[in-house]
Amino acid sequence: DQQVKQNSPSLSVQEGRISILNCDYTNSMFDYFLWYKKYPAEGPTFLISISSIKDKNEDGRFTVFLNKSAKHLSLHIVPSQPGDSAVYFCAASASSNYQLIWGAGTKLIIKP
Amino acid sequence: ETGVTQTPRHLVMGMTNKKSLKCEQHLGHNAMYWYKQSAKKPLELMFVYSLEERVENNSVPSRFSPECPNSSHLFLHLHTLQPEDSALYLCASSARPRTSGAYNEQFFGPGTRLTVL
Repeated sequence: DQQVKQNSPSLSVQEGRISILNCDYTNSMFDYFLWYKKYPAEGPTFLISISSIKDKNEDGRFTVFLNKSAKHLSLHIVPSQPGDSAVYFCAASASSNYQLIWGAGTKLIIKP
Repeated sequence: ETGVTQTPRHLVMGMTNKKSLKCEQHLGHNAMYWYKQSAKKPLELMFVYSLEERVENNSVPSRFSPECPNSSHLFLHLHTLQPEDSALYLCASSARPRTSGAYNEQFFGPGTRLTVL
């Protein structure tokens, strides 16, 4: 049973518009959430994170929102650029554990 | 070399072969990880080493055998694999996994694409 779910395998967005990537989790013990980005033939690279004590974290064009009551987080990218085309992974961690639990990823395609 | 490197980048092996994957990190980290990524599935954590001691082993079959001789190097020894073991194997490193409530970001290598015939 997947504890971290990314229900959209792919998403296509026009360049310049907002991209919204969603992630749901089931384990209420998770207290830290991360987004990673992966290009083909490369390993994932860290993008942005959020602690459960916050509901928003912003870094340039990237903003992550956390809704603890809904066990939902989202990554907003605005404006979307062609270089944002990649697979985006959501991951979660609980304080008591070394592990990152990963979603299956969402492939984002930015159309020119 | 900087970051996390993995060799080989691609490997094709038969079910009776023995091979090893190598990972090296140049970031001064003291935790290292092996992940498996199968097509359209989440990354699966296989092993975690912290300060050269194995701290996590997620019910991985014994045909996968990790080795961490020092904090900069991590190996994954493979023997008598099955075709379903074909996947992308990713190595990552981080500072010690949890400090002061924050999560230490993991840095990934490019992966080894393994095909078992």
